[in-house]
Amino acid sequence: DAGITQSPRHKVTETGTPVTLRCHQTENHRYMYWYRQDPGHGLRLIHYSYGVKDTDKGEVSDGYSVSRSKTEDFLLTLESATSSQTSVYFCAAAGPYNEQFFGPGTRLTVL
Amino acid sequence: GQQLNQSPQSMFIQEGEDVSMNCTSSSIFNTWLWYKQEPGEGPVLLIALYKAGELTSNGRLTAQFGITRKDSFLNISASIPSDVGIYFCAGPPGNQFYFGTGTSLTVIP
Repeated sequence: DAGITQSPRHKVTETGTPVTLRCHQTENHRYMYWYRQDPGHGLRLIHYSYGVKDTDKGEVSDGYSVSRSKTEDFLLTLESATSSQTSVYFCAAAGPYNEQFFGPGTRLTVL
Repeated sequence: GQQLNQSPQSMFIQEGEDVSMNCTSSSIFNTWLWYKQEPGEGPVLLIALYKAGELTSNGRLTAQFGITRKDSFLNISASIPSDVGIYFCAGPPGNQFYFGTGTSLTVIP
């Protein structure tokens, strides 16, 4: 367990508004990830980070940006939310053997 | 992109029965991970596999890393009601992880 927390756990917002989701870990893991989970698609990688200020795109990165200013925090930003970004968002951190540990998720609804 | 095919998509079984599910990829993996997810929760790691042919157990769960390195199997013996959930396989052909679409397991008491 990487002691991963996410905030907020639930959010409802309107189309066009910016949204930031926060992920916090307590185990000093180097790699962190943001996924979205949608019915029929499973978990898909949005962005990941391999260190402070080091990030890279995943499979579904369009419309999302990330930042990592401290090892323990990884932020996901939707600059202008759209209805297609309604989803459940999970953060994960990778342990020393490449195993991933997940946070509890954030349910985002864009109206 | 990378595809992970997981089967079956869903299973309905009687309590006490054994369960088998598998996952295949279109490329070679160096790691296979199996997760369980319950409603409203994040995936929880069950078993991690790191080399071809490896067989690893975690209580009533046993997973194997296929010798072709393109597949993996998860077995649950003597199922109980708390086994209900969605089981995912996952693996990294590189820095990114890919996940199967899951096997939904229902255990009928």
